[in-house]
Amino acid sequence: AQTVTQSQPEMSVQEAETVTLSCTYDTSESDYYLFWYKQPPSRQMILVIRQEAYKQQNATENRFSVNFQKAAKSFSLKISDSQLGDAAMYFCAYRSPILTGGGNKLTFGTGTQLKVEL
Amino acid sequence: NAGVTQTPKFQVLKTGQSMTLQCAQDMNHEYMSWYRQDPGMGLRLIHYSVGAGITDQGEVPNGYNVSRSTTEDFPLRLLSAAPSQTSVYFCASSQRRDSPLHFGNGTRLTVT
Repeated sequence: AQTVTQSQPEMSVQEAETVTLSCTYDTSESDYYLFWYKQPPSRQMILVIRQEAYKQQNATENRFSVNFQKAAKSFSLKISDSQLGDAAMYFCAYRSPILTGGGNKLTFGTGTQLKVEL
Repeated sequence: NAGVTQTPKFQVLKTGQSMTLQCAQDMNHEYMSWYRQDPGMGLRLIHYSVGAGITDQGEVPNGYNVSRSTTEDFPLRLLSAAPSQTSVYFCASSQRRDSPLHFGNGTRLTVT
């Protein structure tokens, strides 16, 4: 079974600065999908960014980018020019490509609470 | 678009009571699933469905039942609530197997 580890329960960043959230995973599969989800106090789960393991290029979405290191099984999220609205819980998630009935099952990490300070 | 709608937003139950958490999506998505979120544990899959009439168990299915009579609806039933089921419950859907999940806003359930 796959596992996802987020070793930073809390992180802080100054507004306009850059912060990196860490995520590692364990899998024996060669092809899979990785995601970062944001959960603000409203509780809504918001997709931030996704990465297909077969793609060597790191995914980017505006101020959000990832550092995907497949051999090291590492998938960190970098937030540039941090804004107050970035304050939230961030979850890393893994999805297997295996065509079992699980379909779009995600395995989540335990989350990193990001605080943005003025 | 409404997306994924969950009701109720909050619920308090007594041990042994039953209830149904409702989930509806208006995006014609085939895949639907239920997760629970507990402090320090992330989200864990309870049950999922790959289409109307088809359901299966996830990681933590005990104490929960589901059915999928229509593409739009995927209710989660607690037959006899226990304090261990105190949690935040999320319903999610996706168009295809490899599509990102769309989440509802969650239901906070407290069992006393």
